[in-house]
Amino acid sequence: QQQVKQSPQSLIVQKGGISIINCAYENTAFDYFPWYQQFPGKGPALLIAIRPDVSEKKEGRFTISFNKSAKQFSLHIMDSQPGDSATYFCAGNLGNTPLVFGKGTRLSVIA
Amino acid sequence: GAVVSQHPSRVICKSGTSVKIECRSLDFQATTMFWYRQFPKQSLMLMATSNEGSKATYEQGVEKDKFLINHASLTLSTLTVTSAHPEDSSFYICSAGDRINYGYTFGSGTRLTVV
Repeated sequence: QQQVKQSPQSLIVQKGGISIINCAYENTAFDYFPWYQQFPGKGPALLIAIRPDVSEKKEGRFTISFNKSAKQFSLHIMDSQPGDSATYFCAGNLGNTPLVFGKGTRLSVIA
Repeated sequence: GAVVSQHPSRVICKSGTSVKIECRSLDFQATTMFWYRQFPKQSLMLMATSNEGSKATYEQGVEKDKFLINHASLTLSTLTVTSAHPEDSSFYICSAGDRINYGYTFGSGTRLTVV
């Protein structure tokens, strides 16, 4: 009931391409879905977040698409750059409860 | 924005000793902070929820006496790894914030190595 399933586990994208990472959640009570970016040896940094009352949110090159009926949401990174190479985590939660994280996606953007 | 400061960033200690990790919210008050543990190439594993002025809530399987959490003020939570052993070596990360104003912000993490 609390799981957030994330795919793919790893992703290689050409510079300038679109990176797409998908997540599916089980708990329909979740009302907050953030994405975090983590570089090696650092803590996760909040990238972008969405609530289930909207279907899409865009901030710069990062877009979240949200499908409430399918209980799925995805992160799109447009014009991917080598500096985007990192591990990305999706998460979900309700209220001020702890975030439930996906297992992460290691993104490599190659020139 | 919300800033969470975590110290130290790296610590090496001898087996059997105790290590304290600090997590501070610099520009906001945090009634709740979260402590995570992360193994290499894995996701964040919630260890405990730290509540200001009350006892921490530990996740199943996390030893309360091994990982002591104190949240004595609205800006500081500490995690003490007691009688550390090599298997306690890991990356520990704290988090604080709230969804409405700042989102959940994470500290920079502490790499603990027990030798």
